[in-house]
Amino acid sequence: DAGVTQSPTHLIKTRGQHVTLRCSPISGHKSVSWYQQVLGQGPQFIFQYYEKEERGRGNFPDRFSARQFPNYSSELNVNALLLGDSALYLCASSLGGGPRETQYFGPGTRLLVL
Amino acid sequence: DAKTTQPTSMDCAEGRAANLPCNHSTISGNEYVYWYRQIHSQGPQYIIHGLKNNETNEMASLIITEDRKSSTLILPHATLRDTAVYYCIVRVGDQFYFGTGTSLTVIP
Repeated sequence: DAGVTQSPTHLIKTRGQHVTLRCSPISGHKSVSWYQQVLGQGPQFIFQYYEKEERGRGNFPDRFSARQFPNYSSELNVNALLLGDSALYLCASSLGGGPRETQYFGPGTRLLVL
Repeated sequence: DAKTTQPTSMDCAEGRAANLPCNHSTISGNEYVYWYRQIHSQGPQYIIHGLKNNETNEMASLIITEDRKSSTLILPHATLRDTAVYYCIVRVGDQFYFGTGTSLTVIP
């Protein structure tokens, strides 16, 4: 079975631009979470979606938004990019998002903002 | 707002047990402890999780103290491929709170 897939793998943008990152969960998983990992730090929670509804949001500005589609894939959008948005963006999926359910991570999208 | 503290780095001899400690003194009664590892900035890989009781699977064992304020991940026979950053995580509802992790180096 395919794991969590993310696209693109790498991306270079300039300040002020916007970016869309994509994630396909493991087949049968209905919950998708997004994380930002800045170099040298652990991943930080951005959003969780379950059945197309936002279930949780981390401490990120409104420039960050996301959505989940009927096939449970998800997009993360970041507007007005800043240099500090350079990071590895990780997507994780789980069956239903409950407290006992394991999240499985994708390989990430590495974003560089110049 | 990390909810866990871990040593920054540790070394372990190949073939020996690696014991990775974690403090989570503010954990609440219904919050799970998860462990993941990350190799070369790939996506984090799930290892094990637990609530109160000790847990064991094919990868590792998780020992949680009775007061749940700390835990230890045990890799029983470390190999070179176990060199990675290991994250101890407290799950609060739907959110995983990662700390800065422990960089484990397995030495031949």
